[in-house]
Amino acid sequence: GQQLNQSPQSMFIQEGEDVSMNCTSSSIFNTWLWYKQDPGEGPVLLIALYKAGELTSNGRLTAQFGITRKDSFLNISASIPSDVGIYFCAGQLYITQGGSEKLVFGKGTKLTVNP
Amino acid sequence: NAGVTQTPKFQVLKTGQSMTLQCAQDMNHEYMSWYRQDPGMGLRLIHYSVGAGITDQGEVPNGYNVSRSTTEDFPLRLLSAAPSQTSVYFCASSYGKLGKQYFGPGTRLTVT
Repeated sequence: GQQLNQSPQSMFIQEGEDVSMNCTSSSIFNTWLWYKQDPGEGPVLLIALYKAGELTSNGRLTAQFGITRKDSFLNISASIPSDVGIYFCAGQLYITQGGSEKLVFGKGTKLTVNP
Repeated sequence: NAGVTQTPKFQVLKTGQSMTLQCAQDMNHEYMSWYRQDPGMGLRLIHYSVGAGITDQGEVPNGYNVSRSTTEDFPLRLLSAAPSQTSVYFCASSYGKLGKQYFGPGTRLTVT
């Protein structure tokens, strides 16, 4: 089945540093999404990408939809302590057999920010 | 607007017991989904619904049942709980595209 390889698994950084994480797959996706999950909470959507090559920013966050449609990255600039959490990528693809849509999640990147 | 609500927040069951996890949304979303989250596994889709009266299986449906009698509610039933079902369960909803989902706060279930 379709799988997303998200890396790194975890990151330990100092406040103020920039962060970069990515997701890759052997499958082509129609949409890429990035979520953040705080401890004890559900994931919250950060950025949605709908077109190959699309580069989108949301404050200090920037994400890109890879040209091949098989990958995406998320950058966080000037990290702050509240950036701590688990970041998930998710790819949406269209299943031609049955005409349904499927959302596949990466396993997450756990970010720790030291003040 | 409460968004997506889930009850209970925590639950302990004995093997073989049954229970229903509740999920409700007040955003008039068509799509609703149930995921389970296990350490190192990310989120895995259990069941989903594209509208009232319509449900379908996700990646890991075994041991779970769902129904969608109204747009607002999407309960998840465990008919005979097993230790392998110990997990955190999230309900999500969205307007149309499966991707732009809003998640509930989760239910942490332990089966002993």
